[in-house]
Amino acid sequence: EAGVTQSPTHLIKTRGQQATLRCSPISGHTSVYWYQQALGLGLQFLLWYDEGEERNRGNFPPRFSGRQFPNYSSELNVNALELEDSALYLCASSLGLAPDTQYFGPGTRLTVL
Amino acid sequence: SQQGEEDPQALSIQEGENATMNCSYKTSINNLQWYRQNSGRGLVHLILIRSNEREKHSGRLRVTLDTSKKSSSLLITASRAADTASYFCATDAQAGGTSYGKLTFGQGTILTVHP
Repeated sequence: EAGVTQSPTHLIKTRGQQATLRCSPISGHTSVYWYQQALGLGLQFLLWYDEGEERNRGNFPPRFSGRQFPNYSSELNVNALELEDSALYLCASSLGLAPDTQYFGPGTRLTVL
Repeated sequence: SQQGEEDPQALSIQEGENATMNCSYKTSINNLQWYRQNSGRGLVHLILIRSNEREKHSGRLRVTLDTSKKSSSLLITASRAADTASYFCATDAQAGGTSYGKLTFGQGTILTVHP
């Protein structure tokens, strides 16, 4: 069974640009989560989507947004990139609304120059 | 802010020794999970322990949970060089039985196992 996949592996952008990160969950999983792991800040929760709806959002500005598609894949968009957005962005998936194991993908390394 | 506090921050041991990492948290939880991360890559799920469980085993891993003290420990027995990684605990907070979905992570323990 394929795990959570993310693309691209690495992304280099300049300040002010937009970045789009993609995630495909494990087959059968309906919930997708996004986390940011920035140096010195640890793993921070960004967004939770289930059945196409945003269920919860972490303490991030509105320029971090996303969506979940009918096939349960998800996209994270970061607008007006700032240097401090440089981080590893991790996507996870789980079976649904019930609290359950979250399985993580390999991450997208975003570098903002 | 991080809910979990882990100690030690770093642990260095020899192959064959046991490694124990501790995690404390602040709020009521549905479950607590332990993850491993190698060199800034994705997280690998190790074990999940629910709030009504006290101990769980998986291979060389043993996890305990004390909800009265809001703490958990991860024991890796007979460690191997391949166990070298960062280890994180993560809690799924709940209110009235409803999950917020998000995991709140500790700062992690960096484990180094010398051959």
